[in-house]
Amino acid sequence: KAGVTQTPRYLIKTRGQQVTLSCSPISGHRSVSWYQQTPGQGLQFLFEYFSETQRNKGNFPGRFSGRQFSNSRSEMNVSTLELGDSALYLCASSYSGGAETQYFGPGTRLLVL
Amino acid sequence: QKEVEQDPGPLSVPEGAIVSLNCTYSNSAFQYFMWYRQYSRKGPELLMYTYSSGNKEDGRFTAQVDKSSKYISLFIRDSQPSDSATYLCAMTSPGNQFYFGTGTSLTVIP
Repeated sequence: KAGVTQTPRYLIKTRGQQVTLSCSPISGHRSVSWYQQTPGQGLQFLFEYFSETQRNKGNFPGRFSGRQFSNSRSEMNVSTLELGDSALYLCASSYSGGAETQYFGPGTRLLVL
Repeated sequence: QKEVEQDPGPLSVPEGAIVSLNCTYSNSAFQYFMWYRQYSRKGPELLMYTYSSGNKEDGRFTAQVDKSSKYISLFIRDSQPSDSATYLCAMTSPGNQFYFGTGTSLTVIP
């Protein structure tokens, strides 16, 4: 079974731009969660989508948004990028959102200049 | 105060040593407790998860949860160079929201 894939793997943007990251979950998984990982803050939960609906949301500003398509693929968008948005963005998929079945992708490393 | 506190290390041990990794948390409502391992340039992979207080063993790994002290541990026996990675503790709220520690970097020296 193919794992979670994320594209692109690396991205360089400048302040004020916007970016869209993509995540393809494991086949059959309906839950996709997004996380931001930085050295200082660690892994922080952004949001979770299940069957095209946002089910949970972390404490991030509205510049961070996401969506999920009918095939469970998910996209995350960050508008008006700031230097502090530089991070590794990880998505994780699971069948139903349970802790024990969450599988992470390799991440997209975003650098904002 | 952060919801989950984890000593970032780094931790360096000789091959064969017993490794102890720890996290404390502040929210008594946390339900599931997990340990993830993350190799460089990779996403985290789930090592162990548990729901209740007590010990859970899987091969060389033992996860321990003490809900009364709000403290969880991961023990690695007979540590190997391939165990060199960052270890993340995580826990879930009743609403199934995940909270992660910042990770402990471990190096096992051959």
